[in-house]
Amino acid sequence: DTAVSQTPKYLVTQMGNDKSIKCEQNLGHDTMYWYKQDSKKFLKIMFSYNNKELIINETVPNRFSPKSPDKAHLNLHINSLELGDSAVYFCASSQEGRLAGNTGELFFGEGSRLTVL
Amino acid sequence: AQKITQTQPGMFVQEKEAVTLDCTYDTSDPSYGLFWYKQPSSGEMIFLIYQGSYDQQNATEGRYSLNFQKARKSANLVISASQLGDSAMYFCAMTLYFNKFYFGSGTKLNVKP
Repeated sequence: DTAVSQTPKYLVTQMGNDKSIKCEQNLGHDTMYWYKQDSKKFLKIMFSYNNKELIINETVPNRFSPKSPDKAHLNLHINSLELGDSAVYFCASSQEGRLAGNTGELFFGEGSRLTVL
Repeated sequence: AQKITQTQPGMFVQEKEAVTLDCTYDTSDPSYGLFWYKQPSSGEMIFLIYQGSYDQQNATEGRYSLNFQKARKSANLVISASQLGDSAMYFCAMTLYFNKFYFGSGTKLNVKP
């Protein structure tokens, strides 16, 4: 079973369209994230949820709206897509706290490559 | 503000040799975690190694070791006996309170046969 799974893996769409990316984790983690990786490979945090509650909302256009129906799921909806939204979007999860054997590392999904034409 | 710096955009190493990837960080918080991730050309992010700010010894995981110099705020990754499969992007990351991770800009490592 994949620990953090996101769908779809590839998205090709026209400017102005709306699209969603879904993410699920089966690790029992409390915290989930969306990261954007641009063409220069720079990883930038977009959002973070802890137990369904938004805790980090970086400077992201409000065309991007995350939704966490439960702590195992974090979806990303993007309205009115623009060329600059083309990137790889990574979902990730982690478990907070210094529990025994827990490094708090991020577990990443495989990424969703979005191409806006 | 917290910051992670990787000053080597690209590096080459000969197969079977050791290589050091540099990472410096900036935080005034005494409690933090440092991580290294590998991203091969296939795109997935692979966790390699972790160092806690209070850990007395340098972390090691197989051929990976983290050269942690707290006073200098550096957390360099050492890969011993490089293999062709080590060719990838490597990212250094730092977290405070485990709910926000700051990533460096990455180092692209090429291992030559």
